[in-house]
Amino acid sequence: EVQLVQSGAEVKKPGESLKISCKVSGFSFTSYWIGWVRQMPGKGLEWMGIIYPGDSDTRYSPSFQGQVTISADKSISTAYLQWSSLKASDTAMYYCARHVGDVVVPSAMSHWGQGTLVTVSS
Amino acid sequence: DIQMTQSPSTLSASVGDRVTITCRASQSISSWLAWYQQHLGKAPKLLIYKSSSLDSGVPSRFSGSGSGTEFTLTISSLQPDDFATYYCQQYESYSTFGQGTKVEIK
Repeated sequence: EVQLVQSGAEVKKPGESLKISCKVSGFSFTSYWIGWVRQMPGKGLEWMGIIYPGDSDTRYSPSFQGQVTISADKSISTAYLQWSSLKASDTAMYYCARHVGDVVVPSAMSHWGQGTLVTVSS
Repeated sequence: DIQMTQSPSTLSASVGDRVTITCRASQSISSWLAWYQQHLGKAPKLLIYKSSSLDSGVPSRFSGSGSGTEFTLTISSLQPDDFATYYCQQYESYSTFGQGTKVEIK
């Protein structure tokens, strides 16, 4: 069974750093693109970027380029999303998701994590 | 950036109704479009990819069509579990989502 299990909710202060995780199982981690999607409170979905853990090829939405870093550790089948300096506007639910097995990149996302709620408040 | 516009933003319907949601792209995206369903407080669920391909396990009452700039998601007979918010996603150039369509009980 394909599973993506995300790390727990975080409460941080502005200016702090953060790294959240997405541990996958049930498929070959190095053979599928993994993406991150933001959902601010009461708002819609925003595509942030994707990574191919097989070779660490990473693509970012222009809206998120330079604002976050996406990475992966093949040895533990885990993808990461990190911030070096959080802002209150980073408060949101963050989802990781696996691409369908299409050759096109980016692609639709067929399997999703449960989400990680990040709250940034002074 | 490719902008995705969904209509309507909210749709009121009854169980058994046929429902259609439209998604328009600001430029051609060929058939690189997906549809998702999201219940409140839950992760999105993929329904349709490549405009009209039904994801595994998705009921056949869901269907998608379109190419270029105009796409539709149709629910042939609305069921109680279908009251949710629906999003389209283009993946021709980077990726962007529509703003969502909330399907509520009439």
